Amino acid sequence: DAGVIQSPRHEVTEMGQEVTLRCKPISGHNSLFWYRQTMMRGLELLIYFNNNVPIDDSGMPEDRFSAKMPNASFSTLKIQPSEPRDSAVYFCASSLARPGDSFGSGTRLTVV
Amino acid sequence: GENVEQHPSTLSVQEGDSAVIKCTYSDSASNYFPWYKQELGKGPQLIIDIRSNVGEKKDQRIAVTLNKTAKHFSLHITETQPEDSAVYFCAASNTDKLIFGTGTRLQVFP
Repeated sequence: DAGVIQSPRHEVTEMGQEVTLRCKPISGHNSLFWYRQTMMRGLELLIYFNNNVPIDDSGMPEDRFSAKMPNASFSTLKIQPSEPRDSAVYFCASSLARPGDSFGSGTRLTVV
Repeated sequence: GENVEQHPSTLSVQEGDSAVIKCTYSDSASNYFPWYKQELGKGPQLIIDIRSNVGEKKDQRIAVTLNKTAKHFSLHITETQPEDSAVYFCAASNTDKLIFGTGTRLQVFP
């Protein structure tokens, strides 16, 4: 099993640009989570899906952030427009029986 | 909402010694307590977890204890090795929403 796959690993973009982060969960897992990690705020849950349906998006910072899960094998997190304060490492995780079972390697986003 | 506090923020031990990391949580409804190890440039890796109907769980050199009354749970690593050096996170939840502690940077010196 290849684990949770995220792309890109690194993203550098200019303020105001649209950024799309991608995630492929582990096959058979029915829950998918998007987390953000910063030095100041630690690990924060942004949104999670169960059976492709968004369950809790209360952690999404503002309307500039959106997430989709069109099918069981793919999810995106989009930031439009991006701002320097969005710079962080974004993790995707998937699970079957317990939250946060398997994390991806993350996408390091830098907005300049 | 749930709040998880983790101590210490850094911990240095000699190879072969034990390391203990402690967490407290605020929501008495929390019933799932996982621990993660995060190495540089990688995502958190689930290393052990415990549910509220169990007081202790052990897996080789690592163990977790839970005191529901005091709302404390701890990670114990025995016979530490240099490869145990990493940042460790505790978390708590009663749903699918994990609330993480602030992390402990463990350094094991040879």
